[in-house]
Amino acid sequence: ELKVEQNPLFLSMQEGKNYTIYCNYSTTSDRLYWYRQDPGKSLESLFVLLSNGAVKQEGRLMASLDTKARLSTLHITAAVHDLSATYFCAVDSGSSNTGKLIFGQGTTLQVKP
Amino acid sequence: NAGVTQTPKFQVLKTGQSMTLQCAQDMNHNSMYWYRQDPGMGLRLIYYSASEGTTDKGEVPNGYNVSRLNKREFSLRLESAAPSQTSVYFCASSRDRVAGANVLTFGAGSRLTVL
Repeated sequence: ELKVEQNPLFLSMQEGKNYTIYCNYSTTSDRLYWYRQDPGKSLESLFVLLSNGAVKQEGRLMASLDTKARLSTLHITAAVHDLSATYFCAVDSGSSNTGKLIFGQGTTLQVKP
Repeated sequence: NAGVTQTPKFQVLKTGQSMTLQCAQDMNHNSMYWYRQDPGMGLRLIYYSASEGTTDKGEVPNGYNVSRLNKREFSLRLESAAPSQTSVYFCASSRDRVAGANVLTFGAGSRLTVL
């Protein structure tokens, strides 16, 4: 059974600081997704990582994938208040790229001025 | 562009009542999904449909039924609601394997409370 675990689950940080969210998963997969959810809102796709060593960056967020370690990281550089949200990683549970995603618990990021 | 539309947005039920959550997408996507979100548990897949007329169970299908009425619509039915089904429900769709990825587009969510 595929399990996806994120840590930390809650992160409070000061503006301007750097931090990393970790996403571990339990079975082989080379398709990992990151989503963002603002409070009371829906989920928005951030990154799709499709191979070992993949790195994607947008603004102050950078995501990477190590399929051998079954680990993805979401690195936040010089955090700003607008990045406050809950971040989910998700892994495709099907061998045929079905889109049946198993989600981590989510990491709630709070950026304080 | 409407994207994925869910109705209702809020619903309060009594234990044992039934209801149907409606979902429609206008992006010509093949696959559709129903997830539930509970605090501290992320999202869990209830049911999935790869195409019109096909459905498949996800992680937590018990207590739910689904119907893929056509390519656009995918409904979720609770036949006899239980307090454990209090949750936020998200419908999603995807175009399937675009450049190797299967990115889901989510609806706004439906908040269901079962008393």
